[in-house]
Amino acid sequence: NAGVTQTPKFRILKIGQSMTLQCTQDMNHNYMYWYRQDPGMGLKLIYYSVGAGITDKGEVPNGYNVSRSTTEDFPLRLELAAPSQTSVYFCATQRGQRTDTQYFGPGTRLTVL
Amino acid sequence: GDSVTQMEGPVTLSEEAFLTINCTYTATGYPSLFWYVQYPGEGLQLLLKATKADDKGSNKGFEATYRKETTSFHLEKGSVQVSDSAVYFCALSGSGGSNYKLTFGKGTLLTVNP
Repeated sequence: NAGVTQTPKFRILKIGQSMTLQCTQDMNHNYMYWYRQDPGMGLKLIYYSVGAGITDKGEVPNGYNVSRSTTEDFPLRLELAAPSQTSVYFCATQRGQRTDTQYFGPGTRLTVL
Repeated sequence: GDSVTQMEGPVTLSEEAFLTINCTYTATGYPSLFWYVQYPGEGLQLLLKATKADDKGSNKGFEATYRKETTSFHLEKGSVQVSDSAVYFCALSGSGGSNYKLTFGKGTLLTVNP
């Protein structure tokens, strides 16, 4: 039982490049989230999904896209990377109640130069 | 909108000292409240939670009580250990909306010296 896995752990991109951050869970949770963590700023929600085929924007969606074709996978796509997207990205899952715990992956540290 | 304000860090304590990290929130209705901990190089993990007023969450010697009258959820531990060194985040899940996203405070870095 791996929980929530994220790949890659680290990545350096050049301005204008694209990449996909992978997130996979084996907990059979319906809800999945992408957050970004900037130094001293807590975490901000980028996108979320309440189930396969359903996604919606969070607080800071600009420059990102997501898809959810299966319960297990929730990839985050960066198109035309910009220095402002330098951050640590966390994927999280939740069973489906407001009081339920969110389980976080280990994160992807992305630098855009 | 919802917001969380927590004590600015960093906080440096000696082993066995008493810890308090203050957290206050703004939210409509009846949010659920959480403390998450992030150890160096790792993701966040739940430390404790409380889902209604006057509930006390506790885990690993840490405690926090949901105080609706003061909109607070302060984290306490009676005797900290070196292994408690980490970043602590207070968070809430609001009672409205179609998703259960967490609204986080900025985090408090705790360093415990032997």
